[in-house]
Amino acid sequence: EPEVTQTPSHQVTQMGQEVILRCVPISNHLYFYWYRQILGQKVEFLVSFYNNEISEKSEIFDDQFSVERPDGSNFTLKIRSTKLEDSAMYFCASDPGTGEETQYFGPGTRLLVL
Amino acid sequence: AQTVTQSQPEMSVQEAETVTLSCTYDTSENNYYLFWYKQPPSRQMILVIRQEAYKQQNATENRFSVNFQKAAKSFSLKISDSQLGDTAMYFCAFMKPLTNNLFFGTGTRLTVIP
Repeated sequence: EPEVTQTPSHQVTQMGQEVILRCVPISNHLYFYWYRQILGQKVEFLVSFYNNEISEKSEIFDDQFSVERPDGSNFTLKIRSTKLEDSAMYFCASDPGTGEETQYFGPGTRLLVL
Repeated sequence: AQTVTQSQPEMSVQEAETVTLSCTYDTSENNYYLFWYKQPPSRQMILVIRQEAYKQQNATENRFSVNFQKAAKSFSLKISDSQLGDTAMYFCAFMKPLTNNLFFGTGTRLTVIP
């Protein structure tokens, strides 16, 4: 069964460094999302992406964040200058866009900013 | 704004017994989707069940079923014949129409006791 994959599974970085989190959505899916979950808290929407552009973004998704689908396969989330409060689990999700209205999540990337 | 409330931070159930997890939501939308996701210790988000608001029939998926009360904006999850593998965090989620962004509740930690 097709799955959303994410790499790396864990990443540790120094405050102020740039990180890129990678996702490979399910093939032929059309809608892509990033969510984050700070430890012990609920999952929060960051951004949605469709047709090579951002559809919607939350207040969390400020100028430090960017998304890209560079090659039709990968879907990346970049944090330009990480802060301590960016430490969280980051989930990628994709939706086939066929009216199923269901998002399939990847296993997540655990980011720790020191 | 959409809000999702899960009023039970923790619950426990004996193996083979039935348990019901509560969820309420607030929205002015008429058409939307509701979901229950399971997050085991691995922290992966796994879809359990989904419900379309325009369907009066409650969704079922094997041992999992929902009690959807649209007027009351209530969406509870019933797990029958609980198994040890059901131990996890369970998140209720609301899907915002058009942009299809998910809004999550704070979760209920379910422990199945052998």
